[in-house]
Amino acid sequence: DIVMTQTPLSLSVTPGQPASISCKSSQSLLHSDGKTYLYWYLQKPGQPPQLLIYEVSNRFSGVPDRFSGSGSGTDFTLKISRVEAEDVGVYYCMQSIQLPRFTFGPGTKVDIK
Amino acid sequence: EVQLVQSGAEVKKPGESLKISCKGSGYSFTSYWIGWVRQMPGKGLEWMGIIYPGDSDTRYSPSFQGQVTISADKSISTAYLQWSSLKASDTAMYYCARHRVGATDYWGQGTLVTVSS
Repeated sequence: DIVMTQTPLSLSVTPGQPASISCKSSQSLLHSDGKTYLYWYLQKPGQPPQLLIYEVSNRFSGVPDRFSGSGSGTDFTLKISRVEAEDVGVYYCMQSIQLPRFTFGPGTKVDIK
Repeated sequence: EVQLVQSGAEVKKPGESLKISCKGSGYSFTSYWIGWVRQMPGKGLEWMGIIYPGDSDTRYSPSFQGQVTISADKSISTAYLQWSSLKASDTAMYYCARHRVGATDYWGQGTLVTVSS
């Protein structure tokens, strides 16, 4: 299976400041169809995960534009331009290039200073 | 509005069987995969398997093959996850999620399964 790693595993951010999370995969996530199947989710406390970013850099419906994704191949980044209090939770990257062997990263816990 | 509504929390004893459900609405249930994800207490997310209700094509992650059964009844837009003999280590939150090529987008609210003697 493809192993996903994330750094850092925890992050404490001052409101209004930027934040960045890195995700690396053990194999390229570039599919033969030309798309890269890397997603970012936020799991707020007591809630199911919610999709933020799909196919590396596309914001899902309703996701604020302070969230952005970038990367290619095996290296990916989620950036929050200005962290708000509602952004606390655990951020996961996930790959879906091999049905059904989808895998998640270990998660990055973000809290507010 | 796309919704996935899961059945309620369960408390079971080791060795008992269980079937939990996930009902989809607001979209064509037979046109999207439905996956199941496990989250053990205080831990991360693990994909268990996935089903395409349109033709019941079902695939399991290796770690869960033989441990659970995934099924769907397209006539009532509902997917299921079942165990024949629960273990204490099955205690977890279980989520269903809709998957299409390019995104696993909508998630159910989760079903908490507690297995304890």
